[in-house]
Amino acid sequence: DAKTTQPPSMDCAEGRAANLPCNHSTISGNEYVYWYRQIHSQGPQYIIHGLKNNETNEMASLIITEDRKSSTLILPHATLRDTAVYYCIVSGIQGAQKLVFGQGTRLTINP
Amino acid sequence: ETGVTQSPTHLIKTRGQQVTLRCSSQSGHNTVSWYQQALGQGPQFIFQYYREEENGRGNFPPRFSGLQFPNYSSELNVNALELDDSALYLCASSPRGDPGNTIYFGEGSWLTVV
Repeated sequence: DAKTTQPPSMDCAEGRAANLPCNHSTISGNEYVYWYRQIHSQGPQYIIHGLKNNETNEMASLIITEDRKSSTLILPHATLRDTAVYYCIVSGIQGAQKLVFGQGTRLTINP
Repeated sequence: ETGVTQSPTHLIKTRGQQVTLRCSSQSGHNTVSWYQQALGQGPQFIFQYYREEENGRGNFPPRFSGLQFPNYSSELNVNALELDDSALYLCASSPRGDPGNTIYFGEGSWLTVV
């Protein structure tokens, strides 16, 4: 399974865009990049995922570099409710659809 | 609201006992995975079921076992409970077992082993 590297913590002001980086330099050609977040004591919440192209949905945008070795999750207008641990995951393609969670980035949105 | 429901939400068991946790997957999803999340750690993959067959397993001993039923709901069974089994157990479902599908998690079952 490809390993991901994320900063352990980040801060962002409310109303500003939060940009969360992720390094996945060992990603294979058919592995997807997934982003989840987890608010204390709750199940992980799906945010977005992509393979090669940039993706956008109602929650966030995912920017994947051309070489696919890194990506950035963008929360366009962060609110206090976006405070959470954000996980960047590269999903294995062998057999089971396994998500390998790392330690994630603890994002704190400040008023 | 992900449509993935788990029960019970909290339970306490004694070391050596057995526990069964249940999961109803989102409608139309035939793939269910189970994860264990210890306090302060990210979730760890236990195993996955696709159309009632186990088709992938993480680094967990055989006392962790599961079932998937024809309606795609699932159970996680843990025998001979140990103190280190205390964790949040998460169920996740997806439409199919192949890569690239959206995977939705339930809110989990908190297990405390005393």
